[in-house]
Amino acid sequence: SYVLTQPPSVSVAPGQTATLTCGGPNIGSKNVHWYQQKPGQAPVVVVYADSDRPPGIPERFSGANSGNTATLTINTVEAGDEADYHCQVWDTSSDHPGVFGGGTKLTVL
Amino acid sequence: QVQLVQSGGGMVQPGRSLRLSCAASGFSFSTYSMHWVRQAPGKGLEWLASISYDGGKTYYTESVRGRFTVSRDNSKNTLYLEMNSLRAADTAVYFCATPVEMATTYYFDYWGQGALVTVSS
Repeated sequence: SYVLTQPPSVSVAPGQTATLTCGGPNIGSKNVHWYQQKPGQAPVVVVYADSDRPPGIPERFSGANSGNTATLTINTVEAGDEADYHCQVWDTSSDHPGVFGGGTKLTVL
Repeated sequence: QVQLVQSGGGMVQPGRSLRLSCAASGFSFSTYSMHWVRQAPGKGLEWLASISYDGGKTYYTESVRGRFTVSRDNSKNTLYLEMNSLRAADTAVYFCATPVEMATTYYFDYWGQGALVTVSS
């Protein structure tokens, strides 16, 4: 089955740029979605289909996907961005197609 | 507005059963597939199962196949997850979620509030 790999943690100072990665074999051929999850809450999609943002998500959040790595970039990080971030793909070749990465804890220093 | 209200979580002994419910409102429930996702304590999200809009097709991740059953009652706008032969490793918060279906992918735009299931003796 398809496996997505995320670093467990990333730390960044306020105002700086956070780069979160999601690795998988030839992930560039798939659509990658990113979720933000704060403690005790359900996930919220912040980027879908590699680089699109849902309404209400700040332009500071952007995504890219190529080769074996997808990336979520958060510009001008704010304290409120501290959360877990999960990547997700839909593996149409599998009979259990939903796949999430292990999640990355973003800490704002 | 779209709402998914979950019920049915709790503590259960290993080997026993539990049923989760997810009551939907604010959208045309009977025209959407529905999904279950869980999150073990301190862990990432795990996609568990899905059911087609009419209940005719179901899919499961390997770790729950044969033990869990997803079903729906479109007359009641409600999704269910019947969990049998529960194990300690099934301890998690369980979420129902509605998908956005694109050409070759799905993502999840609305989620229930989550239901904690604790499997312990």
